[in-house]
Amino acid sequence: AQSVTQLDSQVPVFEEAPVELRCNYSSSVSVYLFWYVQYPNQGLQLLLKYLSGSTLVKGINGFEAEFNKSQTSFHLRKPSVHISDTAEYFCAVTRNDYKLSFGAGTTVTVRA
Amino acid sequence: GAVVSQHPSWVICKSGTSVKIECRSLDFQATTMFWYRQFPKQSLMLMATSNEGSKATYEQGVEKDKFLINHASLTLSTLTVTSAHPEDSSFYICSVLGARGSGEAFFGQGTRLTVV
Repeated sequence: AQSVTQLDSQVPVFEEAPVELRCNYSSSVSVYLFWYVQYPNQGLQLLLKYLSGSTLVKGINGFEAEFNKSQTSFHLRKPSVHISDTAEYFCAVTRNDYKLSFGAGTTVTVRA
Repeated sequence: GAVVSQHPSWVICKSGTSVKIECRSLDFQATTMFWYRQFPKQSLMLMATSNEGSKATYEQGVEKDKFLINHASLTLSTLTVTSAHPEDSSFYICSVLGARGSGEAFFGQGTRLTVV
């Protein structure tokens, strides 16, 4: 079975500053990796995914993530955040059965 | 990607009654759907995998007689919470598995269930 650890439960950040959300996973087999964003009382929206190929993945809204197999990490970054980026962010992994295992989530609060 | 609609978006029911939540794939034929549960300030936990035309597969610890899942067509899966109790109050979210090989799931907007 795979598991996901999001190292930061809350990340406060000022507008236009960079942000990094950390995610580590454990799995004995190859996995697919995802980052999702959730706004209050809404479902999840995919930010980006890593299936194979280039380890640097670019997603929507200026987010990117880097897959590091040796460190079993998939950290999410954005060079300059906006107020509208305030949300809950979830890292998730799945094997080829497509059942997602989610991390505990990171709350990002962007302040002016 | 697929557009997934859940209904209702919120519901309040009395303890002991049953509640049905619908998950519709509006523009994609969904052979496989997933049902998740999310408690406040917590992550999503997979409850079951819903396969069109066959019985759902439940995760360990999920009561199949309490959470009835029906996936009778390629566009609709339903989750019925039977004899609901206050501890069943939660945010329920469905997702649709996208095209094979894409590895992507598309989520509904969720249903907030409050049992009083």
